[in-house]
Amino acid sequence: KNQVEQSPQSLIILEGKNCTLQCNYTVSPFSNLRWYKQDTGRGPVSLTIMTFSENTKSNGRYTATLDADTKQSSLHITASQLSDSASYICVVSIVAAGNKLTFGGGTRVLVKP
Amino acid sequence: DGGITQSPKYLFRKEGQNVTLSCEQNLNHDAMYWYRQDPGQGLRLIYYSQIVNDFQKGDIAEGYSVSREKKESFPLTVTSAQKNPTAFYLCASSLTGSSEKLFFGSGTQLSVL
Repeated sequence: KNQVEQSPQSLIILEGKNCTLQCNYTVSPFSNLRWYKQDTGRGPVSLTIMTFSENTKSNGRYTATLDADTKQSSLHITASQLSDSASYICVVSIVAAGNKLTFGGGTRVLVKP
Repeated sequence: DGGITQSPKYLFRKEGQNVTLSCEQNLNHDAMYWYRQDPGQGLRLIYYSQIVNDFQKGDIAEGYSVSREKKESFPLTVTSAQKNPTAFYLCASSLTGSSEKLFFGSGTQLSVL
């Protein structure tokens, strides 16, 4: 069973609208939780990095939140643009495994005009 | 420009053939990684290297081999023993091996003829 689960698997939103992506993890304690953006056919690019003690981190129109008690993170995209069409990947660094990185399967977002 | 360069972008393998994927970085990073990405799945670690002339197996090393003769280069060979090689391969690097922020290349799509 994957230790990092993302939902939904995919979603379609209209340009200008907001959306929220979810990431649930089952292992703790962890060091960092990262969100990456991956354009089709490209490598992932880091959006935000949060330690276990941080609740929120923003990067422009992207805002990540973290609830260490419920082991959930979310990525909120505000006023979506066509360029936001991509896959968004949640990555947890697990202390117990020597800071091994565990990747979620990603959420594919399609922004339509 | 600093970054990670992967080549080729697309690669086709005949049955029984070994193929090598190139990965070069000019970020002066100590650690380099190879991941495999299959549709809808999280990235899986094939091999990683924390220092020149040293590398470790990841979660799915069978059928793959690597070398780290230079700090800048970390080529991956997909051998004929890998029976299901069709996937998107991503190379990454980080400043050190303690799972900090990863910088990814743009990937190589490997397909079987």
